[in-house]
Amino acid sequence: DAGVTQSPTHLIKTRGQQVTLRCSPKSGHDTVSWYQQALGQGPQFIFQYYEEEERQRGNFPDRFSGHQFPNYSSELNVNALLLGDSALYLCASSLAGAPFFGPGTRLTVL
Amino acid sequence: AQSVTQPDIHITVSEGASLELRCNYSYGATPYLFWYVQSPGQGLQLLLKYFSGDTLVQGIKGFEAEFKRSQSSFNLRKPSVHWSDAAEYFCAVASLKAAGNKLTFGGGTRVLVKP
Repeated sequence: DAGVTQSPTHLIKTRGQQVTLRCSPKSGHDTVSWYQQALGQGPQFIFQYYEEEERQRGNFPDRFSGHQFPNYSSELNVNALLLGDSALYLCASSLAGAPFFGPGTRLTVL
Repeated sequence: AQSVTQPDIHITVSEGASLELRCNYSYGATPYLFWYVQSPGQGLQLLLKYFSGDTLVQGIKGFEAEFKRSQSSFNLRKPSVHWSDAAEYFCAVASLKAAGNKLTFGGGTRVLVKP
């Protein structure tokens, strides 16, 4: 079992650009959540996808959007990047019980 | 709204000594509580979780945590720390046991281990 996988590992973008991050959940998991972890802080919940629909959303602007595919994999899209979007983006998958986290994608916005 | 406070930003402990990390939560109903560990540049690994039942929970790597409802606390302990325990530790609370878990995290405690 590969666990939760994320791609890419690192990404550098400039302000105003758009970015897409990808996540494959742990085998058998049908729910995917995304978190943003700024340097030195705890992760912050962005949103959660289940059955290809956004089920819950945290306090993030509409520039953050996502998608879940029939195979349960997911994408996180961020438009009009700001310097403050620089962070580690974590994907977590679950079926029931505790979420399992991937290694994250480190996004740097210059 | 639920919230989690980890009062200690940094803790330094000698190898072989005991470790206790504090976690206080605010939540109106019965919380579901978690401890995760994060090594530098890595994702989060689940150490243990509390859903219901026995308030003393055993986890991986020799960690345990105790849920105290009267104190709104869920402190993490380890009797004897190894150098490999140096990492950042996060306490989290969720409102649902099922797949709809939305975790609210504390700010983390960074543990340094002295030889």
